[in-house]
Formats: sequence, C-alpha cells, structure tokens
Amino acid sequence: GQQVQQSPPASLVLQEGENAELQCTYSTTLNSMQWFYQRPGGRLVSLLYSPSWAEQRGGRLTSSAASNESRSSLHISSSQITDSGTYLCAPLGSFNKLTFGAGTRLAVCP
Amino acid sequence: EAAVTQSPRNKVTVTGGNVTLSCRQTNSHNYMYWYRQDTGHGLRLIHYSYGAGNLQIGDVPDGYKATRTTQEDFFLLLELASPSQTSLYFCASSDARGNYAEQFFGPGTRLTVL
Repeated sequence: GQQVQQSPPASLVLQEGENAELQCTYSTTLNSMQWFYQRPGGRLVSLLYSPSWAEQRGGRLTSSAASNESRSSLHISSSQITDSGTYLCAPLGSFNKLTFGAGTRLAVCP
Repeated sequence: EAAVTQSPRNKVTVTGGNVTLSCRQTNSHNYMYWYRQDTGHGLRLIHYSYGAGNLQIGDVPDGYKATRTTQEDFFLLLELASPSQTSLYFCASSDARGNYAEQFFGPGTRLTVL
C-alpha cells in the first residue's frame, strides 16, 4: 500500500517570524494532496487541497509538489505562535483514499 | 463549507460492549469514510462507502462493521469492543467527482474501551 513519510519526522521548533518547510514523501502515484492542521484537542482543520501537481496558496501557506520525486511541501511563512500544533499530509491515491503521514509537531516560540 | 457531524463526541464502554458511532453529512457527498487515529500516528482508514447501501473495506477493518443507510448517514459498529479499539475516530465525506476530491472531516469521537 501507499507509504507516507513526513519530515521533520517528529517536531520542529521555530522562533516567531521564521519560515518553515514541511515535507511529505509518498510511494505511489499522486492524484492530489491535502494538508491538515490538528489542534491540541484533536480537531482537524483542512489547510490546503492541491489537485495533481498544482501549487496552492492560502494566506501564509503554500503547498507545492515535485512530481518526479514523489514529494510535496508545505511552506509556512512568517510563523506565528498560533501556528503551533501538528501538521499532517495526506496524498490521495486510487479509489479516492487518503493515506496520512504521522505528522510533524510545530512549536513556535516568542 | 461542507458540514460533517459526529455523535457521540465522547464514549466510554467496557470490553465486550456494543458501540455505534454515527456520522452525518449535509452536502450530498457521495463518498464517506471512517478513520481511526492513535496517539502519535496519522489517521488510518477503517471503512468507506461511495453511496447508500455500499461498503468498502479500508486498511484496518478488523473488529469493525459499517453501514451506509442513506446518502447522509454512515455508521461505524463495534459489536465486541476491545481495549485496542480505544482511539479517536473521524468521519469524512467527499464529492470525488472528476479530479476534485477534497475530504471534509467531522470533529471526531473519542472512544475509550475499559
């Protein structure tokens, strides 16, 4: 089945205002990519949905994909303390099924 | 914005108990999904459906049944709950027409099996 790896693999600590790049690698053909933010209480927030290889932007977030490397990135610019939380990537494969990475925990410090 | 609701939001049961988790979406999406999430892990797909009366097996189906009674309603059944099924359960829906297949998630149900 689909294998999904996220990096940094566990956690990332930033100073407020710094930029972050989170990466997601996967093992099979990508149909689309969805990035999520998970709040400390567990609630999932869909951040960006990128059909196929399209770059997608939303505020301070940009999602892009490198088709020849089976890798997608989420770029967070000018990080804020409220960005702290867990970020999950989920490539969409066959039969409209998402496969999730284990997540990267981001901590933004003042 | 797609609306997906789940009930109950929290549930505690005992080993061997019978549990039903409910999910409703109000956007006429064809696909609905059940996932579980365990501490430190991403979500894993249990069952999914592409329409009323349809059921497809996901990646971790053992110990779970599901039923899609209508376009809107998808239920997850644990007939003999075990402590290994203690988890955070999410329901999702998507339209999945053509190339657009964004999934919309409910708030989650936290299940504890004692």
